Amino acid sequence: GAGVSQSPSNKVTEKGKDVELRCDPISGHTALYWYRQSLGQGLEFLIYFQGNSAPDKSGLPSDRFSAERTGGSVSTLTIQRTQQEDSAVYLCASSLYSGSGGGEQYFGPGTRLTVT
Amino acid sequence: QQQVKQSPQSLIVQKGGISIINCAYENTAFDYFPWYQQFPGKGPALLIAIRPDVSEKKEGRFTISFNKSAKQFSLHIMDSQPGDSATYFCAASKAASKLTFGTGTRLQVTL
Repeated sequence: GAGVSQSPSNKVTEKGKDVELRCDPISGHTALYWYRQSLGQGLEFLIYFQGNSAPDKSGLPSDRFSAERTGGSVSTLTIQRTQQEDSAVYLCASSLYSGSGGGEQYFGPGTRLTVT
Repeated sequence: QQQVKQSPQSLIVQKGGISIINCAYENTAFDYFPWYQQFPGKGPALLIAIRPDVSEKKEGRFTISFNKSAKQFSLHIMDSQPGDSATYFCAASKAASKLTFGTGTRLQVTL
């Protein structure tokens, strides 16, 4: 009965470096979401996967951000050439399914990213 | 453009009292309204959720009241306890897709 897990829990990186954040959803959950939580912007949506495809990428703030999901399970969020404004907690959530009538989202503990 | 407005920003309630947090939304296409509880250093935890076909939902000490015509919904925490001290977020979504969150309410329950 494991929940959503994320790794690493904390990441400190230098400005300009690339980082990869990992999310393991609840087993059997077909929908996976990435959100970002920061003091100035609150909780904001980044990208959503249904299976391995991403029907909604509208929240990605720039082309430095990308994400993929493989095997309908693990997802990786990649931030290239990190900037200080990327510092935030990156949260992953999963739901059994999406669409009308569905999908309570369950969140992982997050990855705290600090760009120095 | 803030699609979900939440108030108050912070709230102090005495133990045993009722905590009330309010949210208002703009997008009439929203059809799912959850509340999340977040403790420091943790991810948000789903507390209770409602769909617009009902006006109230109760789970234990937590109740959501929903007013579709006013586009408002609220969380009531009855018999508030110090362990309820956390940040609460309302949210809304259309067809169970991405969540749009309110700005959060920091609740402190005093002894």
